[in-house]
Amino acid sequence: EIVMTQSPATLSVSPGESATLSCRASQGVNTNLAWYLQKPGQAPRLLIYYASTRATGVPARFSGGGSGTDFTLTISGLQSEDVGVYFCQQYNYWPTFTFGPGTKVDIK
Amino acid sequence: EMQLVESGGGLVQPGGSLRLSCAAAGLAVSNNYMTWVRQAPGQGLEWVSVIYTGGHTYYADSVKGRFTITRDNYRNTLSLEMNNVRPEDTALYFCARVDYSGSSGAFDLWGQGTLVTVSS
Repeated sequence: EIVMTQSPATLSVSPGESATLSCRASQGVNTNLAWYLQKPGQAPRLLIYYASTRATGVPARFSGGGSGTDFTLTISGLQSEDVGVYFCQQYNYWPTFTFGPGTKVDIK
Repeated sequence: EMQLVESGGGLVQPGGSLRLSCAAAGLAVSNNYMTWVRQAPGQGLEWVSVIYTGGHTYYADSVKGRFTITRDNYRNTLSLEMNNVRPEDTALYFCARVDYSGSSGAFDLWGQGTLVTVSS
């Protein structure tokens, strides 16, 4: 069973500063890794797929990287609308999809 | 515009049954891999089930043998039949599309969710 972990659990960032979120897989997932943002009271929204490809309409301040077991999501210049919980997800081991526990990002 | 709208959630007693539906607009459920994901109150996301375009179905171990995913191509809806429910099934249930062609597996379209509460 593949396990996804994320760090930190909570991140407080001042507006305009950068934030880096980490995601680790217990087994290699190549680049079959997605990032989602769930704003309060909303459904998750796909931000990044294939570890580094932005989904349609996602601002360029969001960037993803990594492969294998270690991944990062960087938000360059945090804006107020970026607060919420960020989840990573592996989709390398079909038909099982595994999410990480999430990183909560708020404004300092 | 593509849209998914879930319905059918509510209060159900342990051991009871419930059927969730997900109405699709702007896309055909028959031509897409469709999935259910749930989120317990204040918790993270848990993948529940997926149905392939060819009809193959797969389940998380936590629901295998109790939940059944189906689709109605005529009504363009996805369903989740939940039987022998347990308190730990209490969650907000989302349906989503699996973007198999574009991203090889990310979930690129989500509904707003329907809440299931299992309690006596």
